[in-house]
Amino acid sequence: EVQLLESGGGLVQPGGSLRLSCAASGFTFSSYAVAWVRQAPGKGLEWASVITGSGSNTYYIDSVKGRFTISRDNSKNTVYLQMNSLRAEDTAVYFCAKIASPYCTGGSCEIDYWGQGTLVTVSS
Amino acid sequence: DIQMTQSPSSLSASVGDRVTITCRASQGINNFLAWYQQKPGKAPRSLIYAASSLQSGVPSKFSGSGSGTDFTLTINCLQPEDFATYYCQQYSSYPFTFGPGTKVEIK
Repeated sequence: EVQLLESGGGLVQPGGSLRLSCAASGFTFSSYAVAWVRQAPGKGLEWASVITGSGSNTYYIDSVKGRFTISRDNSKNTVYLQMNSLRAEDTAVYFCAKIASPYCTGGSCEIDYWGQGTLVTVSS
Repeated sequence: DIQMTQSPSSLSASVGDRVTITCRASQGINNFLAWYQQKPGKAPRSLIYAASSLQSGVPSKFSGSGSGTDFTLTINCLQPEDFATYYCQQYSSYPFTFGPGTKVEIK
């Protein structure tokens, strides 16, 4: 059974940092890309970042580029999202999502499984 | 960026009804479209990919169609567990974008 378990969320002041983790099980971890999708309170879904199965390629939406870093440790079956210079508009539930392929290119990046999410609140 | 719109934004339906939700892309996305279901306080659930292919374990009461810019999600014989918000999402080109959601409520 595929499982994705996020952790690391919490309350942080504007300008602060937080590192989210996504621990995966139930599949050959290194063979699949993983994404972070976020959802601000009462709002819709937003694709934030993705990393390929090997970790060699990453993507970020413009609003987090230069502040967030996605990485993975395939020996620990874990993906990380290091979030720096946090802003109030980064407040959201962050979901980890498994992609159905090793890569995530246009036309080949379907999400098949989701984690339960972790809440990040940026407030003073 | 490709903009995704959905209609209606919400609908009321009764148990046993068939409902159809429409999703439109601001430019052609071939069939690179997914549908998700989300219940309050829960993670999304993947329903459909490639516009019309069911994810593993998703019942056949859900179906998707469309290509290019116009897509639909149909839910047959609505059951209490189907009342939720449904999102479409394009993965044709970065940034991958979601529609604003359609809330399906009990009449």
